[in-house]
Amino acid sequence: TQLLEQSPQFLSIQEGENLTVYCNSSSVFSSLQWYRQEPGEGPVLLVTVVTGGEVKKLKRLTFQFGDARKDSSLHITAAQPGDTGLYLCAWVGYYQLIWGAGTKLIIKP
Amino acid sequence: EAGVAQSPRYKIIEKRQSVAFWCNPISGHATLYWYQQILGQGPKLLIQFQNNGVVDDSQLPKDRFSAERLKGVDSTLKIQPAKLEDSAVYLCASSLTGVPYTGELFFGEGSRLTVL
Repeated sequence: TQLLEQSPQFLSIQEGENLTVYCNSSSVFSSLQWYRQEPGEGPVLLVTVVTGGEVKKLKRLTFQFGDARKDSSLHITAAQPGDTGLYLCAWVGYYQLIWGAGTKLIIKP
Repeated sequence: EAGVAQSPRYKIIEKRQSVAFWCNPISGHATLYWYQQILGQGPKLLIQFQNNGVVDDSQLPKDRFSAERLKGVDSTLKIQPAKLEDSAVYLCASSLTGVPYTGELFFGEGSRLTVL
């Protein structure tokens, strides 16, 4: 059983469209991180969310942490081909991260 | 600041052969991680070192995988003998702090292994 469920597993959309991907768990997160992994590279940290209800923005990316700290979402506005990649959420444990399986996102020009 | 260095980037071997991967973390980072990533999936932790001690190796297949971090700096991950299901990208990561975890992980580009 996955501790973290990411959905959808795969998403392919046209440039300029908006999208939302999700990270859910039955457990309460202490905090959560989102990483993006481009093809042939290692994951790179995008954001850390800590407080229930928290919203953080990174240019066209908006990250939200659920009020109960059991879920998080990533919304991309006006997606661009450069947003293509694997989006991974990770639960911050005491000494390591617990990873979701990721959402593979493809933005077509 | 130099990032996490890994080598080789690509390796193709026959099953039952051996292979070794090398990682040099960011200078000053106490904690080093080896992950296995199957295509399109999230990383799976194989082993975590803090300085030169092992924090967690519960998911390392110890009958065929071994890892060491001598002198608390660079690290080597070895597979012997390799199986077809070991085909994956092996990612090395480091973080400034260890236990408790804070901050972020910095990843290398990975070593892609194909076992034929």
